[in-house]
Amino acid sequence: EAGVTQFPSHSVIEKGQTVTLRCDPISGHDNLYWYRRVMGKEIKFLLHFVKESKQDESGMPNNRFLAERTGGTYSTLKVQPAELEDSGVYFCASSQDRNTEAFFGQGTRLTVV
Amino acid sequence: QKEVEQNSGPLSVPEGAIASLNCTYSDRGSQSFFWYRQYSGKSPELIMSIYSNGDKEDGRFTAQLNKASQYVSLLIRDSQPSDSATYLCAVTSLGTGANNLFFGTGTRLTVIP
Repeated sequence: EAGVTQFPSHSVIEKGQTVTLRCDPISGHDNLYWYRRVMGKEIKFLLHFVKESKQDESGMPNNRFLAERTGGTYSTLKVQPAELEDSGVYFCASSQDRNTEAFFGQGTRLTVV
Repeated sequence: QKEVEQNSGPLSVPEGAIASLNCTYSDRGSQSFFWYRQYSGKSPELIMSIYSNGDKEDGRFTAQLNKASQYVSLLIRDSQPSDSATYLCAVTSLGTGANNLFFGTGTRLTVIP
């Protein structure tokens, strides 16, 4: 069974550009989470989808970040326009239920220069 | 103010020894406690969860929780070189889902053959 997959694994963009990260959860997992780790800091929660609905987006840093999960399958996280402080590793995780184990993807390393 | 604090290490132990990893958290309402293992460049992997005071053992791993002291620890017995990784402590708070996690910055463990 395929795990959580994220694309791309690495992305280097210039300040002001737009980047879209994609996450494919484990098949059948209704719950999908985005997390971010910036350099030297802890992994921080961004938001939680249940199917296509945003259950909790309290961790989204600002309105330059837009997450979608149309159809309740894969999810995208768009950063527009990107700033230097957005650099970090963006993790996606999925779980079957809200309180069952979440499995993490390997992350997308984003570098904004 | 940090929610979850861990000693960043590195922590070095000889093969066969007990590795002791510690974590404190600030929110007394925290409900669930997790230890993740992350190999370099890989996804965080759940290795232990604990929900009530006391000890929980799983193979060579023992998680210990003391809610009064707001302290959770992970003991790894008979440490192996393959245990060398970063160990992340994570907690959830009352009213959030089990996967809306607050992470510590992680402790890097090196097991010396």
